[in-house]
Amino acid sequence: QSVLTQPPSASGTPGQRVTISCSGSSSNIGSNTVNWYQQLPGTAPKLLIYSNNQRPSGVPDRFSGSKSGTSASLAISGLQSEDEADYYCAAWDDSLNGPDWVFGGGTKLTVL
Amino acid sequence: QVQLQESGPGLVKPSETLSLTCTVSGGSISSYYWSWIRQPPGKGLEWIGYIYYSGSTNYNPSLKSRVTISVDTSKNQFSLKLSSVTAADTAVYYCARERRLKTIFGVVNWFDPWGQGTLVTVSS
Repeated sequence: QSVLTQPPSASGTPGQRVTISCSGSSSNIGSNTVNWYQQLPGTAPKLLIYSNNQRPSGVPDRFSGSKSGTSASLAISGLQSEDEADYYCAAWDDSLNGPDWVFGGGTKLTVL
Repeated sequence: QVQLQESGPGLVKPSETLSLTCTVSGGSISSYYWSWIRQPPGKGLEWIGYIYYSGSTNYNPSLKSRVTISVDTSKNQFSLKLSSVTAADTAVYYCARERRLKTIFGVVNWFDPWGQGTLVTVSS
């Protein structure tokens, strides 16, 4: 079971706007920034959003991120077929067991 | 542009030690944190641990007793050793660079880039 909670699946039609949620706690999302990774089928994860809402160079502005309290969200507007992928949130966790990185379980996005 | 490439045996016997190396090209290993992350078939991502170029390490508490990560700055490589493996350690293993920035709001960090990953199967 993952430390960060994501819905296992999401879907939308081309052109739609979809959002994917990521829920954590005060030791991770509540006190550190959130990153989002996109994993296309059969490939390695790729950085999509860092520091809650920053897009790396080359990532379309259709992708946006936000954070509030102990939750974060990834929004994809103008959905395209090539957006079909798995999406993971991640955050640093300042837990008592020792600080470490934690991930969400991933959300499989289907473009209908 | 920095690129990472994992290498090592694709098959390891139960109870033995898994050993992988990540070679960094297009940039120096210095001044960064370097992580290992794994993904069991059909499942999510799990962080294994990181090493700073100077040699300091931090491991996932759930794997700490079995993990050793080391760095060779002269070869621009860092390595993973996972001992006493079982079938549960079967996964695609990725290496990744961790970027860290100090801001007025605190430390901001993320993984970029990632290696392409290598599948390691634990089986007799």
